[in-house]
Amino acid sequence: GAVVSQHPSWVICKSGTSVKIECRSLDFQATTMFWYRQFPKQSLMLMATSNEGSKATYEQGVEKDKFLINHASLTLSTLTVTSAHPEDSSFYICSASGTRGPSQDTQYFGPGTRLTVL
Amino acid sequence: GENVEQHPSTLSVQEGDSAVIKCTYSDSASNYFPWYKQELGKGPQLIIDIRSNVGEKKDQRIAVTLNKTAKHFSLHITETQPEDSAVYFCAANQGSQGNLIFGKGTKLSVKP
Repeated sequence: GAVVSQHPSWVICKSGTSVKIECRSLDFQATTMFWYRQFPKQSLMLMATSNEGSKATYEQGVEKDKFLINHASLTLSTLTVTSAHPEDSSFYICSASGTRGPSQDTQYFGPGTRLTVL
Repeated sequence: GENVEQHPSTLSVQEGDSAVIKCTYSDSASNYFPWYKQELGKGPQLIIDIRSNVGEKKDQRIAVTLNKTAKHFSLHITETQPEDSAVYFCAANQGSQGNLIFGKGTKLSVKP
């Protein structure tokens, strides 16, 4: 139980293009979804938090116009990296919390998406 | 805001030995402390968590202890196996939305 999927698992794109990453909770309703970014050999950096049907709350320093987040349903959130540049290359991971787990604090992570911008 | 420190950054043990990873947190309002295991190229996997109303929790070879007064919590893995090799992250919650603040991770290597 508590399975979170991400698609795609990896993507290579040209500089200036936009990339959409999907995050789905497969067996529970995710009232809150989180998007993280992780650089090699580093910890997870929270980018934004989104509640279903509401605008995302972005962490300081994260450009909301560049990283568009949509949480349109209780099982799906998307992250769109607009006008991607090589410095956006990273491992993007989503997590979800909600009706599964002992509390709403319990976050279950997706497998991550490796983005490479050429 | 919350700050989580994790030690050591790397840990190498012999198969069958125990491994201990320690974390400290700064915000006394934090009340939820999960531990995640991350294998190379994969997302973090929740392995155990603890709330501030208990001091210890155990699940087979894995245990977590919490000292609220000292604001530190530890992960204990007994009878380590090569498949336990991974990066382990501790975290503490903050804020009303349950945001997690992560430690910097510990790379555990279990040598056969």
